[in-house]
Amino acid sequence: GAVVSQHPSWVICKSGTSVKIECRSLDFQATTMFWYRQFPKQSLMLMATSNEGSKATYEQGVEKDKFLINHASLTLSTLTVTSAHPEDSSFYICSAPQLAGGRSASTDTQYFGPGTRLTVL
Amino acid sequence: GDSVTQMEGPVTLSEEAFLTINCTYTATGYPSLFWYVQYPGEGLQLLLKATKADDKGSNKGFEATYRKETTSFHLEKGSVQVSDSAVYFCALSGTGANSKLTFGKGITLSVRP
Repeated sequence: GAVVSQHPSWVICKSGTSVKIECRSLDFQATTMFWYRQFPKQSLMLMATSNEGSKATYEQGVEKDKFLINHASLTLSTLTVTSAHPEDSSFYICSAPQLAGGRSASTDTQYFGPGTRLTVL
Repeated sequence: GDSVTQMEGPVTLSEEAFLTINCTYTATGYPSLFWYVQYPGEGLQLLLKATKADDKGSNKGFEATYRKETTSFHLEKGSVQVSDSAVYFCALSGTGANSKLTFGKGITLSVRP
């Protein structure tokens, strides 16, 4: 199946600094990528939809100025957590749908990255 | 809005036991339904999916049937193995151009030898 990578796999930073997380689709192009946040023992919460060539779409309650998303190319989206604080510590996961070709978007398969563990001290 | 409800966990079973993980959903229209699995230390992987009512998704011995009348998509396996120990997420995807996934809370399955 298709592969999505994330870098770094984990990062520890000081409060107030910014952290950039990369999400790459390795063997397919993705005009859309999704960013999720997963708290311990909880489900994935969609944060935003990253769109190649246009602005990201953020879910209600997600601060767009804090979580900057840039979809630089058809294979790369980045999430930058600006001025990170301890409450931003979480597991961040990206996904990219691989289009099924001629079928509706809802039947596409989404491929997930392995996640990035962010710890803010 | 759309939502997915999974049974509470964790679940611990002995090897070769029968597994059922319940999942019900609330959505408008005709969503696609998915089961994702997250093995320790790894990212989510698609386990199986169903795109319309009465469809049965199956993979690796797991099965789930899209039941529109009961808005359910329960996951079953006849004989679990230790290697099935993981977190299982039920999810749905909206119709049309929106392929966002809505996840259930996930359930941890531990299989004892």
